[in-house]
Amino acid sequence: DTTVKQNPRYKLARVGKPVNLICSQTMNHDTMYWYQKKPNQAPKLLLFYYDKILNREADTFEKFQSSRPNNSFCSLYIGSAGLEYSAMYLCASSADRVEQFFGPGTRLTVL
Amino acid sequence: QQQVRQSPQSLTVWEGETAILNCSYEDSTFDYFPWYWQFPRESPALLIAIRPVSNKKEDGRFTIFFNKREKKLSLHITDSQPGDSATYFCAGTSGGNYKPTFGKGTSLVVHP
Repeated sequence: DTTVKQNPRYKLARVGKPVNLICSQTMNHDTMYWYQKKPNQAPKLLLFYYDKILNREADTFEKFQSSRPNNSFCSLYIGSAGLEYSAMYLCASSADRVEQFFGPGTRLTVL
Repeated sequence: QQQVRQSPQSLTVWEGETAILNCSYEDSTFDYFPWYWQFPRESPALLIAIRPVSNKKEDGRFTIFFNKREKKLSLHITDSQPGDSATYFCAGTSGGNYKPTFGKGTSLVVHP
């Protein structure tokens, strides 16, 4: 099974409220990634876990948090959503840091 | 700073024609270049990839041509089919940093 699952598929949030997105994979991949994708833009890497080590991109360091309580599960947390957070959020996993397997994405709309 | 650039932004070809999608990069440490395709309402999926030790990688109707000196690569889709209609993303990654850099993508439409 090469499936990466994401929940929810669609999320509506109010400005200033927290948002928690969930990703899971059962392929025993050691690396899990979170990307933000806006229309006509490249997928933007937000952060990734290599095993239990979290790496956050410098320009999004304070905006996104994440946890990985076990190998299969990874969350993305936004403490206070702003309008600019409206986007598709893609989770991906990889066994070799080469090929990535993507989930279906969560479309977040902030109002 | 956009390290991976793709052109054109959108491309339309007729069934049976060859579609050519271009990609360029800035980071000379990139040593792996995957192309992902994404169909509407689906996740991106790996299509084909190349390492700089080769200047060509072929998989059926899909071929990557790589020019290390110019930091350019292109994806050629021969005998294009309507089922090839998708958005194609070029990416680059350096060994060990675990962080692929994606281009904005090329939206390909193949008319029957």
